[in-house]
Amino acid sequence: KNQVEQSPQSLIILEGKNCTLQCNYTVSPFSNLRWYKQDTGRGPVSLTIMTFSENTKSNGRYTATLDADTKQSSLHITASQLSDSASYICVVSAGRGGGNKLTFGTGTQLKVEL
Amino acid sequence: DVKVTQSSRYLVKRTGEKVFLECVQDMDHENMFWYRQDPGLGLRLIYFSYDVKMKEKGDIPEGYSVSREKKERFSLILESASTNQTSMYLCASSLTGSNYGYTFGSGTRLTVV
Repeated sequence: KNQVEQSPQSLIILEGKNCTLQCNYTVSPFSNLRWYKQDTGRGPVSLTIMTFSENTKSNGRYTATLDADTKQSSLHITASQLSDSASYICVVSAGRGGGNKLTFGTGTQLKVEL
Repeated sequence: DVKVTQSSRYLVKRTGEKVFLECVQDMDHENMFWYRQDPGLGLRLIYFSYDVKMKEKGDIPEGYSVSREKKERFSLILESASTNQTSMYLCASSLTGSNYGYTFGSGTRLTVV
């Protein structure tokens, strides 16, 4: 069964600090891995998409890494801001071609405080 | 700015009512999806569509149906709403191809009383 596990479940950090969120998956055949940011009461917004051959991708202060051998990904947030407070969801796509199936993690709830 | 628009942000319906959730995208995407999101469960796929008038069941289709009469519009129908269908409903769309991201709507928070 395809699964995506995220840790920690929730996290509180001070503004300006860095943090790293983890994602472990058991999805086959692997197609790509995505990180989404979801503000409270809103839909998820894509941060990064990484394929099998990519091991790092950045989007501003967000940097995602992928280790396809160990089936792990991380999302690193640098110099956090209050607006980073949100749920961060790891999503893994399985399959080939256009028939990919997405498996969603349950998210890490991040709160950035003053 | 590309958009997926869901017709209602909040909705309260009574048990047994027929409920329509509407989703419209302006990106000419072939694929459209309906998910529900519940605490601790992540997003779960209800139905999806790869083309007009085409629909496929997702992981939890029971109690739901869908309609896609036009490419830009994908409707989710709760034939007879029940309290266990109280949830956040998210619509998404994408181009065909494994590496295209999904664009999500803002969600509809449905409460069935």
